[in-house]
Amino acid sequence: EIVLTQTPATLPLSPGERATLSCRASQSVSSYLAWYQQKPGQAPRLLIYDASNRATGIPARFSGSGSGTDFTLTISSLEPEDFALYYCQQGTNWLTFGGGTKVEIK
Amino acid sequence: QMQLQESGPGLVKPSETLSLNCTVSGGSISSSSYYWGWIRQPPGRGLEWIGSIYYSGSAYYNPSLKSRVTLSADTSKNQFSLKLSSVTAADTAVYECARYEIGDRTFDLWGRGTPVTVSS
Repeated sequence: EIVLTQTPATLPLSPGERATLSCRASQSVSSYLAWYQQKPGQAPRLLIYDASNRATGIPARFSGSGSGTDFTLTISSLEPEDFALYYCQQGTNWLTFGGGTKVEIK
Repeated sequence: QMQLQESGPGLVKPSETLSLNCTVSGGSISSSSYYWGWIRQPPGRGLEWIGSIYYSGSAYYNPSLKSRVTLSADTSKNQFSLKLSSVTAADTAVYECARYEIGDRTFDLWGRGTPVTVSS
């Protein structure tokens, strides 16, 4: 099983600031890495697929990068609606999710 | 626009079988582009993939749950189903069905989720 480790667990930031979230895989997942956003009481929403491609309707302030074992989700300038939980997911060997990073208001 | 909706009992007794359905509207599950999956989220914890099924019936399961999980697909009803046997309190979670895009290997469309509690 490929384990995905997300850091930090919690990221306190203010609106307008840049958010940098990390996801590290226990072994290479090539580029089969996705990012999801989840708000309380809602299902996750796909943000990024293939490590760096934005899903339909996702604002340009969200960007993904990385390959192999190290990946990053960047939110260039936080909007109020971006404070949420973020998960990474790999699709190379079975399917696993990271433990999540909570972006909270500082 | 395609939508997914979970349905089933919200309370299951320990040792019994949890059964949930996911009904797909606005599109067909008989698509070559997608698998159909189940994911769960225990209270205060992260996401766990349970398994995914193709419309033809071909299925993949999380190895940690494989002995207790059965997925099925009914193209006539445009729905797919989850059965999880011998449940315990550790199976208490919000259960979500989702569409899995084969090429991108992502869950690109989700249902709202349904909470299931295992308790006597």
